[in-house]
Amino acid sequence: EVQLVESGGGLVQPGRSLRLSCAASGFTFDDYAMHWVRQAPGKGLEWVSGISWNTDSIGYADSVKGRFTISRDNAKNSLYLQMNSLRAEDTALYYCAKHQDSETYYYDSSGSDYWGQGTLVTVSS
Amino acid sequence: SYELTQPPSVSVSPGQTASITCSGDKLGNKYASWYQQKPGQSPVLVIYKDSMRPSGIPERFSGSNSGNTATLTISGTHGMDEADYYCQAWDSTTGVFGTGTKVTVL
Repeated sequence: EVQLVESGGGLVQPGRSLRLSCAASGFTFDDYAMHWVRQAPGKGLEWVSGISWNTDSIGYADSVKGRFTISRDNAKNSLYLQMNSLRAEDTALYYCAKHQDSETYYYDSSGSDYWGQGTLVTVSS
Repeated sequence: SYELTQPPSVSVSPGQTASITCSGDKLGNKYASWYQQKPGQSPVLVIYKDSMRPSGIPERFSGSNSGNTATLTISGTHGMDEADYYCQAWDSTTGVFGTGTKVTVL
């Protein structure tokens, strides 16, 4: 059974940093591109970042470029999101999502077939 | 930046057909995916590559994409289909979600 479990969220002051983790199981992690998608309270989905299966391709939304860094440790079956210079508008539930097709760029069009339950990040003083 | 626009809400009677549109510049030249999200739950992929259904998704969900508009169609709508629906596409290497549509089954 595929499982994605996010952790690392919490309350943080503006300008500070936070590192999110996503522990994956039930599939061959290093074969699949992965994503972070967020959802502000009561709002819609926003793609944040993606990383290809072999880390050759990485991308970010304009809203987080230069502040967030995505990475993966295939030996630990884990995906990470390092978030620096956090702003109030970064407050959201952050989801980790698995790409459906294997060995693709993260911007392949096969969609994300498994999602975690999310970890809540609140940026407030 | 690229934008995808959806109607805020769609109402449908049980057993009838619901159509949800997603509009974007030359969207038909890209692939569209659709996600269903019920309250308090994570999104679920219901359509990818315009019209493909993942395993386990009922046949009543179908999709199309042409010109500037992608459409998700739910035929014979069930009460369990009441949810928020989001389209998604790639603008080169940047992911874009639509504004979301709340489907109400009356």
